[in-house]
Amino acid sequence: SQTIHQWPATLVQPVGSPLSLECTVEGTSNPNLYWYRQAAGRGLQLLFYSVGIGQISSEVPQNLSASRPQDRQFILSSKKLLLSDSGFYLCAWSWGVNTEAFFGQGTRLTVV
Amino acid sequence: DQQVKQNSPSLSVQEGRISILNCDYTNSMFDYFLWYKKYPAEGPTFLISISSIKDKNEDGRFTVFLNKSAKHLSLHIVPSQPGDSAVYFCAASSFNFGNEKLTFGTGTRLTIIP
Repeated sequence: SQTIHQWPATLVQPVGSPLSLECTVEGTSNPNLYWYRQAAGRGLQLLFYSVGIGQISSEVPQNLSASRPQDRQFILSSKKLLLSDSGFYLCAWSWGVNTEAFFGQGTRLTVV
Repeated sequence: DQQVKQNSPSLSVQEGRISILNCDYTNSMFDYFLWYKKYPAEGPTFLISISSIKDKNEDGRFTVFLNKSAKHLSLHIVPSQPGDSAVYFCAASSFNFGNEKLTFGTGTRLTIIP
């Protein structure tokens, strides 16, 4: 069966510090991978998605970047965090178009 | 531009009654719709989906209805149980886009009153 791991579960970082959130998927190959952010009143906002190694699509301009160094690894990064980067970040995977996505447990990021 | 909208941020329903959660979309190219349930501090879990070739899909206590002409879908939960208390998100995607992504609504918090 497929599993998705996302860590850490919670993170408190000072403004201006770097960020690296990691997500890995097991039990499948060549999944589509996604990073979402849930902010109050904003629902689930898609940040990045990837259909293959090194292929990253960015949905919204922001202070964040994503990378996919391996088939089942997706990393969300920032060089300098802003207060507005606080939120609940979710990694997800799917098999492709018009299929459900499966989510990790999320990371609560608080920038102070 | 919010292409998938859930206009009710919250809903309270008595245990045993029917819960109806609504979702509207603006993009006529969407042809696949999903509902997710989310508990606090957890990732969303998939509930049920429907393709645009259907107008109803049922799975146990959960039924999703799709009205393409109105660009509206709804999730019915009957009977409602306390464990159904959560935030519910609807989402949509489009095969015609070759679109790999789901577009989510802003969510509706459902509270089941014992």
